[in-house]
Amino acid sequence: GAGVSQSPSNKVTEKGKDVELRCDPISGHTALYWYRQRLGQGLEFLIYFQGNSAPDKSGLPSDRFSAERTGESVSTLTIQRTQQEDSAVYLCASSLGYWNEAFFGQGTRLTVV
Amino acid sequence: AQTVTQSQPEMSVQEAETVTLSCTYDTSENNYYLFWYKQPPSRQMILVIRQEAYKQQNATENRFSVNFQKAAKSFSLKISDSQLGDTAMYFCAFMNQGAQKLVFGQGTRLTINP
Repeated sequence: GAGVSQSPSNKVTEKGKDVELRCDPISGHTALYWYRQRLGQGLEFLIYFQGNSAPDKSGLPSDRFSAERTGESVSTLTIQRTQQEDSAVYLCASSLGYWNEAFFGQGTRLTVV
Repeated sequence: AQTVTQSQPEMSVQEAETVTLSCTYDTSENNYYLFWYKQPPSRQMILVIRQEAYKQQNATENRFSVNFQKAAKSFSLKISDSQLGDTAMYFCAFMNQGAQKLVFGQGTRLTINP
């Protein structure tokens, strides 16, 4: 596609429910990142995929968070048993790897009520 | 672990003025990359400028330039002739050449006043 696409753009869920956030990277981009951005805050690194290498999961805040990516295509970020503190914008980015520019999606705004 | 610090949570200047945003980082690596990203109210992150650590010459992109001081681990962004459209959050970011994990600072909210 022309850019990084994320869906849904907004998600409201009840506390305790599971949610899945989707990211479609730019075709051919080997690197894919997930970030969390709380209101008025910076970007908190969650996870990084690079080609077929093992992902860097060092930023995942708890075992309720997980992410998958098949090859160089779509990635899903799953949050189980959501908590109110999970409310944030979740941003996905992709790049050609190395020091190439990371292109960001518009994000998914998650609200846990 | 690499960290990025932006010490100015908010800044405000008049249109056409020059403004400088500060960024410092901490790393033990010698080869890395530095970036400034802009996030307007639309939430879309946009790359403003980037710098390779091995290059001594400061990067420039039109009205945007950086002052890269490797020994001091400082990477400030200068915006000349500021415009209303420059109003946004600005994030400094670091990427280790090996790990390639992109780490961001907390951001500076810049407002350009007419």
